[in-house]
Amino acid sequence: SQTIHQWPATLVQPVGSPLSLECTVEGTSNPNLYWYRQAAGRGLQLLFYSVGIGQISSEVPQNLSASRPQDRQFILSSKKLLLSDSGFYLCASGGPNYGYTFGSGTRLTVV
Amino acid sequence: AQRVTQPEKLLSVFKGAPVELKCNYSYSGSPELFWYVQYSRQRLQLLLRHISRESIKGFTADLNKGETSFHLKKPFAQEEDSAMYYCALDGGSQGNLIFGKGTKLSVKP
Repeated sequence: SQTIHQWPATLVQPVGSPLSLECTVEGTSNPNLYWYRQAAGRGLQLLFYSVGIGQISSEVPQNLSASRPQDRQFILSSKKLLLSDSGFYLCASGGPNYGYTFGSGTRLTVV
Repeated sequence: AQRVTQPEKLLSVFKGAPVELKCNYSYSGSPELFWYVQYSRQRLQLLLRHISRESIKGFTADLNKGETSFHLKKPFAQEEDSAMYYCALDGGSQGNLIFGKGTKLSVKP
């Protein structure tokens, strides 16, 4: 079965600082990978998804970017954080045929 | 537009009472729907999917295409059912999930 490692669990960053959240997957190869965000009072929103190394699709315009340097590594980044970037970020792996596995999430607070 | 609506942010019931968490969706094709659950201090996990028509932990959900609903039901709630529940719709070929805002279920003793 798949396992997703996501870190850190919590992060407090000042406005204007860079961000790097990492997600790695075990137990599968060539997975579809996703970054979701849950802002306060809102549902989970898809930010990025990737079907392979170097292939990134963005669902919403934002201050964030994603990269997939290796098959089972997915990174969420920002050059300069905004207050509105605060939220709970979830990495997920999977697809419609076999379901989705989620990481434990990162709670980001931008101050 | 594809959308999932969970009208209740919080649902509070007593142990042993029936529970129904509402979910309505908007989707032009043939939907694939899921319920995900997040217990306190645990990660989000799949509870059930409509295509498998299964019952997990006593919960069931029936897809009603006429009412575009996928309500989650359990006849007798237990305290350990207290959690955050998310209804989700598979959004299409890229496999992205569209989530509702979630309903927090609180089961009181």
